[in-house]
Amino acid sequence: KQEVTQIPAALSVPEGENLVLNCSFTDSAIYNLQWFRQDPGKGLTSLLLIQSSQREQTSGRLNASLDKSSGRSTLYIAASQPGDSATYLCAVGHFNKFYFGSGTKLNVKP
Amino acid sequence: GAGVSQSPSNKVTEKGKDVELRCDPISGHTALYWYRQSLGQGLEFLIYFQGNSAPDKSGLPSDRFSAERTGGSVSTLTIQRTQQEDSAVYLCASSLGGGRQPQHFGDGTRLSIL
Repeated sequence: KQEVTQIPAALSVPEGENLVLNCSFTDSAIYNLQWFRQDPGKGLTSLLLIQSSQREQTSGRLNASLDKSSGRSTLYIAASQPGDSATYLCAVGHFNKFYFGSGTKLNVKP
Repeated sequence: GAGVSQSPSNKVTEKGKDVELRCDPISGHTALYWYRQSLGQGLEFLIYFQGNSAPDKSGLPSDRFSAERTGGSVSTLTIQRTQQEDSAVYLCASSLGGGRQPQHFGDGTRLSIL
């Protein structure tokens, strides 16, 4: 069974810092990997989707990388802002299912 | 509507009662997922519908849980004889199909069992 782990569980940084969130998975036979953010009391908002044949995806200040062979993905957030404060989850698509990590709770201090 | 719609947004009920949670997916999305998110936890897969195929029920935690999807669109998740451990946020997602397409989530139903 696919296991997805996210480290750290929580992170607090001052505004303006660049930061990296980590996601690891145990089975490299994945279709894709998706990063989401979740605001309190809300559902998940998709940030980036990396197909298994891709190495990275970029959207604005966000960059996600994928290394299938090592079972790792990173989400890089440049010039963090207080509005980036949320929980970030990664999910790997495997056949018809998605397996989620427990998330990293990010707090960006003004 | 433009996104996935779930109702009710909050549900409080007494232990032992049955509850129904509704999900209205994005129009044209053939795949529909139900997940459960307990406090401070990741998402736990419950059930997956794809078109007219038999649903993948492998994530349902007990026979008190069931789900149906009528006409390939709206889905209802039913929990019978609710227990306190059923308290969680139940999230629905839809996609164009399969594990290669991005999922779009509703805001969830927060279920509290007294």
